[in-house]
Amino acid sequence: KAGVTQTPRYLIKTRGQQVTLSCSPISGHRSVSWYQQTPGQGLQFLFEYFSETQRNKGNFPGRFSGRQFSNSRSEMNVSTLELGDSALYLCASSGGTNEKLFFGSGTQLSVL
Amino acid sequence: QKEVEQNSGPLSVPEGAIASLNCTYSDRGSQSFFWYRQYSGKSPELIMFIYSNGDKEDGRFTAQLNKASQYVSLLIRDSQPSDSATYLCAVNPYNDYKLSFGAGTTVTVRA
Repeated sequence: KAGVTQTPRYLIKTRGQQVTLSCSPISGHRSVSWYQQTPGQGLQFLFEYFSETQRNKGNFPGRFSGRQFSNSRSEMNVSTLELGDSALYLCASSGGTNEKLFFGSGTQLSVL
Repeated sequence: QKEVEQNSGPLSVPEGAIASLNCTYSDRGSQSFFWYRQYSGKSPELIMFIYSNGDKEDGRFTAQLNKASQYVSLLIRDSQPSDSATYLCAVNPYNDYKLSFGAGTTVTVRA
């Protein structure tokens, strides 16, 4: 079974730009979560989607948004990038609530 | 109060020794508990999960859960240099569609 696939693997953007990250979950998994990881803050929850519905959202500004498609693939978007948005963005999928979470390789975003 | 707190590291143990990692959580209604291992430059990898009070063993790893004390631990027996990584404790709060992660404990196994 293929794992969670995230694209792109690396991204360099400048302040003010926007970025879209993509995530394909494990086949059969309908829940997709997004996390931001930085050395100072650790793993911070962004949002979770299940069957195209956002069920939970973390404490991030409205510049961070996401969506899920009918095939469970998910995208997250960050608009008006700031230097502090530089981080590893991780997508994870699971089979349902309280189920094990499996992470993709992540997208390393650098904002210059 | 943080949702999930782990014992501060880094933790350095000699090869063959037992590494003991601790984690406490604040939501008494939490349902499921996980340990992830993260190598430098890689994404977190699930190594253990536990849902009920008591011990759960898988190879050299043992997870221990005490819901009354809101405490989860991970023991790594016969530690190997390949166990050198950051270990993340994660908890699923009650009726909350997310995992809350601790800050992680970095373990170094000395050959």
